[in-house]
Amino acid sequence: GESVGLHLPTLSVQEGDNSIINCAYSNSASDYFIWYKQESGKGPQFIIDIRSNMDKRQGQRVTVLLNKTVKHLSLQIAATQPGDSAVYFCAENAGGFKTIFGAGTRLFVKA
Amino acid sequence: GAGVSQTPSNKVTEKGKYVELRCDPISGHTALYWYRQSLGQGPEFLIYFQGTGAADDSGLPNDRFFAVRPEGSVSTLKIQRTERGDSAVYLCASAETIEAEAFFGQGTRLTVV
Repeated sequence: GESVGLHLPTLSVQEGDNSIINCAYSNSASDYFIWYKQESGKGPQFIIDIRSNMDKRQGQRVTVLLNKTVKHLSLQIAATQPGDSAVYFCAENAGGFKTIFGAGTRLFVKA
Repeated sequence: GAGVSQTPSNKVTEKGKYVELRCDPISGHTALYWYRQSLGQGPEFLIYFQGTGAADDSGLPNDRFFAVRPEGSVSTLKIQRTERGDSAVYLCASAETIEAEAFFGQGTRLTVV
């Protein structure tokens, strides 16, 4: 069925290190993917997106990689900062405009 | 305001009561979404509006849930005969167009006791 999941529920990294958050999706018809950051008590905040005709997209300190062969998505955060501590969700759209979210990965940044 | 505004921020209601949750989208945004987020989970799609019409309400869990957007701006999510399982954070998001980035509000935390 349509589902988006994450490999790890929590990730702890040292400040300054790079973070990699992974996500698996099951719907091969999905053509648009989004990463969101959610801080406690706030709504999700858009980080970066990627369409299925791309393998990689870079933003400021963030990179999203898409491997359609194995239905895998990852978010890389360079030089992780304490302000990056949050829950990160991958989400997918498979036509229409209904966005399906995964369960999330909590990122802890150790000073 | 600059962002999506949701009111109230918290709502406690008794089982069986009726509640209304309000969303003020960013001015000029034609697309509006409602999601529900349970503790420790990702947001779950409920309904999407394009202008005044509900373009996709397939996520509404049952007929106790209803949402309106009569003038294409403010939206209200209505829940009848609330149940304890309805307790969650209800998130609203708006976007300039259907394919544009969606901006989320801070949500309404609904607790049914």
